[in-house]
Amino acid sequence: EVQLVESGGGLVQPGGSLRLSCAASGFTFTNYWMSWVRQAPGKGLEWVANIKQDGSEKYYVDSVKGRFTISRDNAKNSLYLQMYSLRAEDTAVYYCARDLAYCGGGSCYPGAFDIWGQGTMVTVSS
Amino acid sequence: QSVLTQPPSASGTPGQRVTISCSGSSSNIRSNYVYWYQQLPGTAPKLLIYRNNQRPSGVPDRFSGSKSGTSASLAISGLRSEDEADYYCASWDDSLSGVLFGGGTKLTVL
Repeated sequence: EVQLVESGGGLVQPGGSLRLSCAASGFTFTNYWMSWVRQAPGKGLEWVANIKQDGSEKYYVDSVKGRFTISRDNAKNSLYLQMYSLRAEDTAVYYCARDLAYCGGGSCYPGAFDIWGQGTMVTVSS
Repeated sequence: QSVLTQPPSASGTPGQRVTISCSGSSSNIRSNYVYWYQQLPGTAPKLLIYRNNQRPSGVPDRFSGSKSGTSASLAISGLRSEDEADYYCASWDDSLSGVLFGGGTKLTVL
């Protein structure tokens, strides 16, 4: 079964750090771009970051640049999100998502998230 | 504030056809693919449409997508009560080097 399982969420104080993990199974992890997408309580979806199959390209939404780092361990079929200097506005459910990212003509087009995890809640509060 | 603009709400009666719009710009929708997601209450989003108008396996042909210039639309025909959900458009943005989501449209089946 194709599956993504997130872990590592919890309650953290403002300015604190947290590391999210996403375990992939049922597909060839190294064939896919991967992303983190978050959803604040009662709000819409917000893409956070993505990473190419070999880790050579990474992109972030402006609001997390310099604070969050996306990484992957292809030997462990795992995706990570290291979060530093957390703020109240980072409070959200964080989803791990597989990205079909169609590529052609030297360009890739991320955004087709076909498999999602169940999400892990991150709460930033004192 | 989302750069992709969707109406906050839409509604229809069972059997009707409903369309949801998504307005963007030359740096996203015009030059990149558009994707559509359905999110049922309390669940993770589900990919409905990819590459502007393609349906993943298992998505009913009642759902269709289109794109023209800097705008895109999701059409749902033969509306059913189980279609009541939040719908999001998304696209890569060349200027931001990131994926943008629309603000979401809450569909109510009356």
